[in-house]
Amino acid sequence: AQSVTQLDSQVPVFEEAPVELRCNYSSSVSVYLFWYVQYPNQGLQLLLKYLSGSTLVKGINGFEAEFNKSQTSFHLRKPSVHISDTAEYFCAVSTSGNTPLVFGKGTRLSVIA
Amino acid sequence: SAVISQKPSRDICQRGTSLTIQCQVDSQVTMMFWYRQQPGQSLTLIATANQGSEATYESGFVIDKFPISRPNLTFSTLTVSNMSPEDSSIYLCSATTGGGSPGNTIYFGEGSWLTVV
Repeated sequence: AQSVTQLDSQVPVFEEAPVELRCNYSSSVSVYLFWYVQYPNQGLQLLLKYLSGSTLVKGINGFEAEFNKSQTSFHLRKPSVHISDTAEYFCAVSTSGNTPLVFGKGTRLSVIA
Repeated sequence: SAVISQKPSRDICQRGTSLTIQCQVDSQVTMMFWYRQQPGQSLTLIATANQGSEATYESGFVIDKFPISRPNLTFSTLTVSNMSPEDSSIYLCSATTGGGSPGNTIYFGEGSWLTVV
């Protein structure tokens, strides 16, 4: 079975600073990887996904993530954050189109003015 | 793509009662799943909704508490039975087109936000 570890439960960062949210996964087979964002009192929104091909994936709102198979990581980055990026971020993994996503515990990003 | 609609979007329920959440997808999908997100927590898979047969439950979830139906390819229901305040959560429906293709996409509903008082 696969699992996801988000190493940081909370990440405070100043506005316009860069940020990296860390995600490591465990799986014995090939994986699909996802990052979702959940703004306060809202549903899930897909930021980006890695299915195959280029290991650098660009998503919405200026976010990107890099798939590193040797380190089993899929860290999310943004070069300059805004107040509006304050939210909960979830990393998730799936091993096929027929299996559900397994989510990490989430990282709360707080952007400070 | 697929759009998932959930009803109700929010509800306040009395303890001891049961509530059924509906999930409707606007196109045929292969797999449907139900998740729970307790306050301040991540998403936990409750079960896989199987068309025309009993759902497959994850450890810690039982059919008596969370009966699930899936009568066709686009519709599923989750009932939260005999509710207690601990059942206050967001319940999310998810669906996939399946097949393992690189173009596969997993979809989520907006969630049903339940508060049990």
